[in-house]
Amino acid sequence: DTGVSQNPRHKITKRGQNVTFRCDPISEHNRLYWYRQTLGQGPEFLTYFQNEAQLEKSRLLSDRFSAERPKGSFSTLEIQRTEQGDSAMYLCASWSSGELFFGEGSRLTVL
Amino acid sequence: AQSVTQLDSQVPVFEEAPVELRCNYSSSVSVYLFWYVQYPNQGLQLLLKYLSGSTLVKGINGFEAEFNKSQTSFHLRKPSVHISDTAEYFCAVRGLSGNTPLVFGKGTRLSVIA
Repeated sequence: DTGVSQNPRHKITKRGQNVTFRCDPISEHNRLYWYRQTLGQGPEFLTYFQNEAQLEKSRLLSDRFSAERPKGSFSTLEIQRTEQGDSAMYLCASWSSGELFFGEGSRLTVL
Repeated sequence: AQSVTQLDSQVPVFEEAPVELRCNYSSSVSVYLFWYVQYPNQGLQLLLKYLSGSTLVKGINGFEAEFNKSQTSFHLRKPSVHISDTAEYFCAVRGLSGNTPLVFGKGTRLSVIA
């Protein structure tokens, strides 16, 4: 059981740079979710995919954010022109049998 | 739309004492309810879930929760806590219909004191 894998686990970048996170869900899980978690808060929904189709996006997902799941397997979350307010833990999860399985997250620090 | 309120941001408790972490939800439709635990530097792990049936749900590590529809609550309990239970606990809700995402509360930090 490989679980949900996310990389990189940590990313430090300067304001204005672009960053990309990758998520490999549990195989055969069709639904994949991205959440963001800031200090002292619960995870906040960003977007989700059913296979390769992006079915819902949160208002939190500004136009600087883009997510893809081109072949219905792994997914990427790109943040362009990062801002300090983007500093957070980005969580990926896949859904099966009434349960969300989370990866360990990718922590972004924008200086 | 659904929302979750976790009434306590921090709960300190002595080892072997009982604990209750409170969760209330708001929804215009029927819901599924969940408790997740996050240990330091780890991902979220499902503790238990209520989908249907018995309102008393038992989960891992000796935790249980009771769904109370009239009070829109889903409080988490454990009769005797261990140091290893120190973690952040998140209550979450999801509407029954469609593929609505899980909505999480802000979390309760449980600190078990030796």
